[in-house]
Amino acid sequence: SAVISQKPSRDICQRGTSLTIQCQVDSQVTMMFWYRQQPGQSLTLIATANQGSEATYESGFVIDKFPISRPNLTFSTLTVSNMSPEDSSIYLCSARTGLQVGTEAFFGQGTRLTVV
Amino acid sequence: GNSVTQMEGPVTLSEEAFLTINCTYTATGYPSLFWYVQYPGEGLQLLLKATKADDKGSNKGFEATYRKETTSFHLEKGSVQVSDSAVYFCALTEYSGAGSYQLTFGKGTKLSVIP
Repeated sequence: SAVISQKPSRDICQRGTSLTIQCQVDSQVTMMFWYRQQPGQSLTLIATANQGSEATYESGFVIDKFPISRPNLTFSTLTVSNMSPEDSSIYLCSARTGLQVGTEAFFGQGTRLTVV
Repeated sequence: GNSVTQMEGPVTLSEEAFLTINCTYTATGYPSLFWYVQYPGEGLQLLLKATKADDKGSNKGFEATYRKETTSFHLEKGSVQVSDSAVYFCALTEYSGAGSYQLTFGKGTKLSVIP
């Protein structure tokens, strides 16, 4: 199993600023991901955080807006850049410990972001 | 692409009532199926899973059976408790090449259990 700690747990930010969310896993994991969960909606995958290389972004998400780092097997950051009210959402870090398709994904408690 | 459709909420039940949350999926190959639960103020956690047809996942009194013929994975519990109040997400994972295992989620069903 894996325990994921995210911080901050919530923040209120001014439009035009940037926020960096940190994700720490208590053990080495194979894969790390970042999701967005908009109010009343499902989870949408933003990107897969790759250790030591550029993240793999899903359609509709770009590196300039959501730069991601993963310097080692237990830590990743997501930055939400040049924020607008439309970025208000819950951002979730996730990790998998194996490569088999049935492997469980673990989630952090999320960062609730409000942009004003 | 893959998709997951689950029944719209919110669902409100009395304690000890029977629960069913319907989930159907579309996938190009042979996915693994999951139910995740999100309690208020917490992240998602795995409730149960099934990795092949006719498998039954079970945990905490919840059950779901992987039905390939109907592409369904309905969640059931015989007697719900107030502590089961949460949002339930049906999801699937399918290998999509180049080491990628994307989780596809349904929209979530909010369950409220009243005493």
